[in-house]
Amino acid sequence: EIVLTQSPGTLSLSPGERATLSCRASQSVSSNYLAWYQQKPGQAPRLLIYGASSRATGISDRFSGSGSGTDFTLTISRLEPEDFAVYYCQQYGSSPRTFGQGTKVEIK
Amino acid sequence: EVQLVQSGAEVKKPGESLKISCEGIGYTFTNYWMGWVRQMPGKGLECMGIIYPGDSDTRYSPSFQGQVTISADKTITTAYLQWSSLKASDTAMYYCAKIRSGAFDIWGQGTMVTVSS
Repeated sequence: EIVLTQSPGTLSLSPGERATLSCRASQSVSSNYLAWYQQKPGQAPRLLIYGASSRATGISDRFSGSGSGTDFTLTISRLEPEDFAVYYCQQYGSSPRTFGQGTKVEIK
Repeated sequence: EVQLVQSGAEVKKPGESLKISCEGIGYTFTNYWMGWVRQMPGKGLECMGIIYPGDSDTRYSPSFQGQVTISADKTITTAYLQWSSLKASDTAMYYCAKIRSGAFDIWGQGTMVTVSS
């Protein structure tokens, strides 16, 4: 099973700042089958990025994904108030599909 | 509009059985894999397993194999997650999610299951 480790656990930033979230895999993610999700309190997760760098339908271009192999990054270029949430990475290249433990982006 | 509509919250006692549902609306139900994801209180996301409603091919994550049963009825475009004997540790929010290009692109609103004596 591929273990995904996200860092940092919590990111304290101000609106307008840039956020950089990391997701490291215990082994190479096949075909860069890596997704990022956003979850706000009391809501279901929402798909942001799939295939490591492709934005999902309707997702702002403030969100971008990069990386390959075992190291992946989600970047939020300029934080808006609605971006403060928990973010999860997930790999779907190997069975079982696994999620990282999450990174909370909070208002500083 | 593509949406997944899940059944309502449940409160059960340990040892009871339960089946929760997820109706797929606005897309061809049989053409897309569907997954179930658990989120325990205050915790992260765990993929329980996936099913292809077209032929009911089902894959379970090892942690959930033998603990739950995933099924689907394509005649009513509904997927199910069921337990034969609930435990307190099954208390969680359960999400169904449609899979497109490998990722979970559309999520249900979640079903909260509480197991308490």
